[in-house]
Amino acid sequence: NAGVTQTPKFRVLKTGQSMTLLCAQDMNHEYMYWYRQDPGMGLRLIHYSVGEGTTAKGEVPDGYNVSRLKKQNFLLGLESAAPSQTSVYFCASRGTGGLAEAFFGQGTRLTVV
Amino acid sequence: RKEVEQDPGPFNVPEGATVAFNCTYSNSASQSFFWYRQDCRKEPKLLMSVYSSGNEDGRFTAQLNRASQYISLLIRDSKLSDSATYLCVVRSAGNKLTFGGGTRVLVKP
Repeated sequence: NAGVTQTPKFRVLKTGQSMTLLCAQDMNHEYMYWYRQDPGMGLRLIHYSVGEGTTAKGEVPDGYNVSRLKKQNFLLGLESAAPSQTSVYFCASRGTGGLAEAFFGQGTRLTVV
Repeated sequence: RKEVEQDPGPFNVPEGATVAFNCTYSNSASQSFFWYRQDCRKEPKLLMSVYSSGNEDGRFTAQLNRASQYISLLIRDSKLSDSATYLCVVRSAGNKLTFGGGTRVLVKP
């Protein structure tokens, strides 16, 4: 079982460049999430989606956009990358049910120079 | 104030000892609570969900105190392999999942 797959796993961007991170899940989960994790910190929620075609802002949405055109995919876009967006990005998906487990991808390590 | 707060530690624990730590949350309408484990900045993995009446899974015990808005995790008979960062997670309205900053535990021989 693939579970949650993030693409790419590593990326170096120059300031001002754009990119899209892809999260794909094969568990038919309704809910999907994008987080960033900086050194010594926990995961901070960027955006999330409670179903195909829906998105919502999390704690740190500025500088990011998302789309959920298909249930299995959740895309995170950086339109104009900044060094402050250097981080590890984790995607998660979760089924319905109050105590449903969230499954995470292996992370994308992004460096903006 | 952060929505979910944890003592960052580290908690230095002798092998075989018991360690406990808490997580506080600010939203009284929070609906579900979890403990996740994260190793060396790998992806987090579910350790256990927290039930209203408290629950135990082997050496791990989780408690929920809604009146004081905190959850706790207790690890008995600590193993070297328990060294990790423990992340508190709270589900609120709209299925938003918010993480605490994590509590680092180091188990030493």
